[in-house]
Amino acid sequence: NAGVTQTPKFQVLKTGQSMTLQCAQDMNHEYMSWYRQDPGMGLRLIHYSVGAGITDQGEVPNGYNVSRSTTEDFPLRLLSAAPSQTSVYFCASSSTLLASGNSYEQYFGPGTRLTVT
Amino acid sequence: AQSVTQLGSHVSVSEGALVLLRCNYSSSVPPYLFWYVQYPNQGLQLLLKYTSAATLVKGINGFEAEFKKSETSFHLTKPSAHMSDAAEYFCAVSARSDYKLSFGAGTTVTVRA
Repeated sequence: NAGVTQTPKFQVLKTGQSMTLQCAQDMNHEYMSWYRQDPGMGLRLIHYSVGAGITDQGEVPNGYNVSRSTTEDFPLRLLSAAPSQTSVYFCASSSTLLASGNSYEQYFGPGTRLTVT
Repeated sequence: AQSVTQLGSHVSVSEGALVLLRCNYSSSVPPYLFWYVQYPNQGLQLLLKYTSAATLVKGINGFEAEFKKSETSFHLTKPSAHMSDAAEYFCAVSARSDYKLSFGAGTTVTVRA
């Protein structure tokens, strides 16, 4: 199992450019989510999905779009990058089956470090 | 809504000393609680979790945490720090009816030789 994979690892964008951060998981997890990590603020939820075709907003969704056409993939799109979106982005996934000891434990990818100039 | 407060953004300990990282949560009902560790330039790795079984939870790398409902706390401890424990630690909470995690701001641990 590769677990949760993210590409690219690093990206530099100019203000106004668009791009897609890729996330894939091979654990057949229904739940997937995107977080951004900023110094002193922990991780904040951007968008999440409980299954293919279903997405919803998290705490900080503005400026980001998501879609979920398959169970495996959950890309995050920046429509028009702004310097305030400079951050480290993490994708995570979890089973939604409350099996014994599961407790919706989330598995994280290695992150994408994005700089917007 | 769930929220988490981690007391102390930086903790410095001597090698071999006790590590104590504090976490308090806000929730109307007993939640699920987690501690994650993040090593430099890496993703988050689960250290341990509380799911309403035993209140004293043992995790990886010698860490443990105790759920205290009366104090709404879930503090993380390790009896003897190693140099390899230098990392950032995050406490997180989720409602039992939800999958969304709310994270604390994180505590950076440095270990002095």
